[in-house]
Amino acid sequence: DVKVTQSSRYLVKRTGEKVFLECVQDMDHENMFWYRQDPGLGLRLIYFSYDVKMKEKGDIPEGYSVSREKKERFSLILESASTNQTSMYLCASMGGTYEQYFGPGTRLTVT
Amino acid sequence: AQRVTQPEKLLSVFKGAPVELKCNYSYSGSPELFWYVQYSRQRLQLLLRHISRESIKGFTADLNKGETSFHLKKPFAQEEDSAMYYCALSGHSYGQNFVFGPGTRLSVLP
Repeated sequence: DVKVTQSSRYLVKRTGEKVFLECVQDMDHENMFWYRQDPGLGLRLIYFSYDVKMKEKGDIPEGYSVSREKKERFSLILESASTNQTSMYLCASMGGTYEQYFGPGTRLTVT
Repeated sequence: AQRVTQPEKLLSVFKGAPVELKCNYSYSGSPELFWYVQYSRQRLQLLLRHISRESIKGFTADLNKGETSFHLKKPFAQEEDSAMYYCALSGHSYGQNFVFGPGTRLSVLP
């Protein structure tokens, strides 16, 4: 059974804090993605990675960075959290079939 | 630029009625089209993709390149179909983004 796990289901952080969201997949997929999911806006791509140490900006990269040091792990970093980054964050991985497998999501609240 | 639109934010139908969730896209080339579904308290998952041409849970979707549409249809809606549905598009090259539509919430009433 394919598995994508995310480090936390719920997080509450204060404005200005550095936030790390981690995602791990066990399918040996090369491609991994970070999205944020907001009502009425659907999923918006923040960053994706198609190989270790490789990253590409998505549609809304501002205020975020990523790290992919190992194939199975893709981290999303909020350098200085702001209230407008309160959202649901979804991680996904994808192999050669173009099907994306999603994690359960992390609901981040920035106060 | 790649773009996916879903004109309905919310679609309510009665159990047993036909349902159609609309999806239109813009893409220069031949994209891969998908429908993803998210049931309450579950993770987002693939429902179907156009190249497989299969029916999943009674749903089908036909790619109409002339109208650039990929509408999702089911002849008889069930209450368990109530969920959030996202249409998505992907190019064929690595490094090309997946693009999701804004989603349509389907509510099947008893």
